[in-house]
Amino acid sequence: DAGVIQSPRHEVTEMGQEVTLRCKPISGHNSLFWYRQTMMRGLELLIYFNNNVPIDDSGMPEDRFSAKMPNASFSTLKIQPSEPRDSAVYFCASSLGQGIGLSNQPQHFGDGTRLSIL
Amino acid sequence: GQQVMQIPQYQHVQEGEDFTTYCNSSTTLSNIQWYKQRPGGHPVFLIQLVKSGEVKKQKRLTFQFGEAKKNSSLHITATQTTDVGTYFCAGLKGGSEKLVFGKGTKLTVNP
Repeated sequence: DAGVIQSPRHEVTEMGQEVTLRCKPISGHNSLFWYRQTMMRGLELLIYFNNNVPIDDSGMPEDRFSAKMPNASFSTLKIQPSEPRDSAVYFCASSLGQGIGLSNQPQHFGDGTRLSIL
Repeated sequence: GQQVMQIPQYQHVQEGEDFTTYCNSSTTLSNIQWYKQRPGGHPVFLIQLVKSGEVKKQKRLTFQFGEAKKNSSLHITATQTTDVGTYFCAGLKGGSEKLVFGKGTKLTVNP
């Protein structure tokens, strides 16, 4: 079975540019999570969706960040405008959530997008 | 907010030595999960602990969940070079729906 698929794997762009990260969760999983990983702050949850609905976006750092999940097989994380401090590895993960207590299910991570903002 | 503290941050061992990482929460957890991330890779789920005092084993790995459900540990017996990576604990607080990850323990093994 295909795992969580993220694209692009690497992105280098100049500050001020719009960046769009993409994620395809595992088929049948109904919970999707976006994380950011840096040396300083570790693995931070940005936002998660259940059945395509955003449940908690309290981890989204600023209004420059937005995430959508238009259908069960696709999600995007957008940064506009990007800044050098946004440089990090961004992971998408999915799980077979079942409503309350959905985090009891293991999360399956994609390979991540390594983002560098110059 | 809920915090999950993990120690040590780094651990370097000789191959064959044992290794332990500890995870502590400021609040009672409903469950805890452990993940391993190889260098350059992504976190991979290892195990989940749910019950107070629970102990689970996976070959040379032993996982424990504290009686008060506020702490957990991962112990590796006789480390091998394949154990290299960062080990994360992730806790779920009762009534919450999101995992909070510790900052991880980076393990290096000298052959």
